[in-house]
Amino acid sequence: LAKTTQPISMDSYEGQEVNITCSHNNIATNDYITWYQQFPSQGPRFIIQGYKTKVTNEVASLFIPADRKSSTLSLPRVSLSDTAVYYCLVGDNYGQNFVFGPGTRLSVLP
Amino acid sequence: DTAVSQTPKYLVTQMGNDKSIKCEQNLGHDTMYWYKQDSKKFLKIMFSYNNKELIINETVPNRFSPKSPDKAHLNLHINSLELGDSAVYFCASSQDHRDPGTFGSGTRLTVV
Repeated sequence: LAKTTQPISMDSYEGQEVNITCSHNNIATNDYITWYQQFPSQGPRFIIQGYKTKVTNEVASLFIPADRKSSTLSLPRVSLSDTAVYYCLVGDNYGQNFVFGPGTRLSVLP
Repeated sequence: DTAVSQTPKYLVTQMGNDKSIKCEQNLGHDTMYWYKQDSKKFLKIMFSYNNKELIINETVPNRFSPKSPDKAHLNLHINSLELGDSAVYFCASSQDHRDPGTFGSGTRLTVV
């Protein structure tokens, strides 16, 4: 069961690129890495998922090094509305043991 | 249309009571989940369920039981509520077993 660690909080300014790194030293061969975003009083919302190398979608990029012991979520040109908690999650391919990290509270300042 | 809906949104009850939280998804997904988010914002899976099997997180007390009348619904029953059960409970569903799910908006349970 992989455990994750993330920075507790980060500050950024509008228009900047933000990179949030998650450590998962005990990640298993079958584990995928998923990132979620959560606003207050809402459920987490899927951002991106990957297994290795790089994945990009319309909102973010996910970088995973060859050893897969960490991953970095990259948010290009953040806005105030990106202020939220970001969770890193690793889970095996049977979905039985999804473990969310403690989350990183991102504050985007004007 | 709300993809994953939970009711009630807020639930305040006394210790020892039995309560249920309902969840419905209209995404046609095969797998549904219940998660618990505690006061420190840690989010942990409690159950995953599809029409073939129920997978229980071994740390979940047997006072908690999921019940699925059909593929679109997964209700959470909690017996003999305790103070420590106070948390936000999220229902989620997914089509891919690798996907932690599309989440509902949560039910804030307060046990007094």
